[in-house]
Amino acid sequence: GAVVSQHPSWVICKSGTSVKIECRSLDFQATTMFWYRQFPKQSLMLMATSNEGSKATYEQGVEKDKFLINHASLTLSTLTVTSAHPEDSSFYICSARDRGLAGTNEQFFGPGTRLTVL
Amino acid sequence: SQQGEEDPQALSIQEGENATMNCSYKTSINNLQWYRQNSGRGLVHLILIRSNEREKHSGRLRVTLDTSKKSSSLLITASRAADTASYFCAAFTSGTYKYIFGTGTRLKVLA
Repeated sequence: GAVVSQHPSWVICKSGTSVKIECRSLDFQATTMFWYRQFPKQSLMLMATSNEGSKATYEQGVEKDKFLINHASLTLSTLTVTSAHPEDSSFYICSARDRGLAGTNEQFFGPGTRLTVL
Repeated sequence: SQQGEEDPQALSIQEGENATMNCSYKTSINNLQWYRQNSGRGLVHLILIRSNEREKHSGRLRVTLDTSKKSSSLLITASRAADTASYFCAAFTSGTYKYIFGTGTRLKVLA
């Protein structure tokens, strides 16, 4: 149980295009999902908190107009990198909190999406 | 920066030796988790320790937590080449409901 998937697992795109990354909780409902970015040989940096049915909360320094987050259902959150540039190339990882395990605050991580912008 | 600190940044040991990694965080926490990440891959959850716990074991893993010092350690005993990976702590900060990751330790176990 507690499986989180991401799609695609990797994507290569041209500079200026937009890329959508999906994060799904497969066997549980997630009222809250989180999006992280990880540059090579660095740690994970929280980008935003995605709440089902409401606007995402972005961390300081993260451009909300560039990284659009939609949490349309209890099992799906999407991150759209708009007008991607080479500096947006990174490993994007999502995590989800199981609504049924809210008291534990445990998060389950997806396998990540590697974005390369040419 | 909110990010936690881990030391050492990199650690190279021989197979069979123990590996200890330390994590420090800045605010009060509800719990702290340790994760492993193989190069270019996703995160694998290792162990969760709550703020009211001081020590926890799971197989060859031993985690300690000292909330007065805002620090945690991960000990891997009898290391194997397959333990080669990056290890991250993630502190769940009280009141913000967010996990803040440490900078990570890159462990290399030589066969």
